[in-house]
Amino acid sequence: DTAVSQTPKYLVTQMGNDKSIKCEQNLGHDTMYWYKQDSKKFLKIMFSYNNKELIINETVPNRFSPKSPDKAHLNLHINSLELGDSAVYFCASSAMDSNYEQYFGPGTRLTVT
Amino acid sequence: QKEVEQDPGPLSVPEGAIVSLNCTYSNSAFQYFMWYRQYSRKGPELLMYTYSSGNKEDGRFTAQVDKSSKYISLFIRDSQPSDSATYLCAGGYTGGFKTIFGAGTRLFVKA
Repeated sequence: DTAVSQTPKYLVTQMGNDKSIKCEQNLGHDTMYWYKQDSKKFLKIMFSYNNKELIINETVPNRFSPKSPDKAHLNLHINSLELGDSAVYFCASSAMDSNYEQYFGPGTRLTVT
Repeated sequence: QKEVEQDPGPLSVPEGAIVSLNCTYSNSAFQYFMWYRQYSRKGPELLMYTYSSGNKEDGRFTAQVDKSSKYISLFIRDSQPSDSATYLCAGGYTGGFKTIFGAGTRLFVKA
């Protein structure tokens, strides 16, 4: 059983398009995150959600809109994709009082052409 | 200045060597310090975490934190080719909902 799953695994699209990435965790965690990892492997937090509520928004352009329909799911919608959005996007989750122990999904490799 | 600084490497060592990976951080509010391992084309996985200063050992891995110098280290004894991966150090604090990662050090262990 996969603890944190993401779909799709690969996404190739053109500039200007809108796309979504889905994330699901079956660990019973309260907190979920989205990270962006660039080509130099630098992993940067984008959003944190706790019990479906947005807690952290790290100055991400508002073309990126996360949505948490329930505690087990956190989706990421991206409007008007730009070349600079090309990266690997990771979803992660943790128990609320253990944010030092995060479980990551396999990543979604987004390529914008 | 980034909150967590880490030399990206790459670091190449022969099998059986002792590996030392290091980071510095600037945020005095950090209470937890983590090491994640990331294999190529996979998500990061937590290796170890420490709370405040001190050492923590788990098998061949030892994590060390010196809060006075804001220095984080990971030592790998008897390194194996299967240890070849990118190692990410990170800092965070209770209730912060935010973990700050270093850039990651790419390690190659040659058989």
